[in-house]
Amino acid sequence: DAGVIQSPRHEVTEMGQEVTLRCKPISGHNSLFWYRQTMMRGLELLIYFNNNVPIDDSGMPEDRFSAKMPNASFSTLKIQPSEPRDSAVYFCASSLVAGTSYEQYFGPGTRLTVT
Amino acid sequence: GDSVTQMEGPVTLSEEAFLTINCTYTATGYPSLFWYVQYPGEGLQLLLKATKADDKGSNKGFEATYRKETTSFHLEKGSVQVSDSAVYFCALNSGGSNYKLTFGKGTLLTVNP
Repeated sequence: DAGVIQSPRHEVTEMGQEVTLRCKPISGHNSLFWYRQTMMRGLELLIYFNNNVPIDDSGMPEDRFSAKMPNASFSTLKIQPSEPRDSAVYFCASSLVAGTSYEQYFGPGTRLTVT
Repeated sequence: GDSVTQMEGPVTLSEEAFLTINCTYTATGYPSLFWYVQYPGEGLQLLLKATKADDKGSNKGFEATYRKETTSFHLEKGSVQVSDSAVYFCALNSGGSNYKLTFGKGTLLTVNP
């Protein structure tokens, strides 16, 4: 089975540009999570969806960040405008929440560099 | 609220040494507990899990036992290999309508030949 798919794997952009990160969760999973990882701040949860509905976006750093999940097989995280401090690795994870099962499966990440 | 505390690294061991990475937690109810591993340049991978007290999760020679009385879930391996070099994260989910995982800060393990 295919795991979580993220694209692009690497993105280099200039400050002020719009950046869109994409995620395809594991088929059949009902929850999707966006994380950011940096050396300074570690792993941070930005937002998560359940059944395509945003449940908790309290981790989104500011209005420059937005996320959508138009259907069960696709999600985007957009940064507009981007800033150098947004440089990080962004992970998408998906989960099938059922009973006592809450484990998440992570994608390979998108390494974003904003110059 | 929920929290996870892991021993701070880095941890450096020689090949075939015994490994323990401590993890303690604070949570409401009866959480599920997890260990994830992150190899360089990769995403986090689920290593093992336990969903109730006294459960032992195991995978690839790693083990951890859910200890409710000490609120702990320590990761152990009897004989580490160079290929085990990675960052290890302890995590929990407190269940119910909370779908999030609460992660520890991670412990970097380096195994030397």
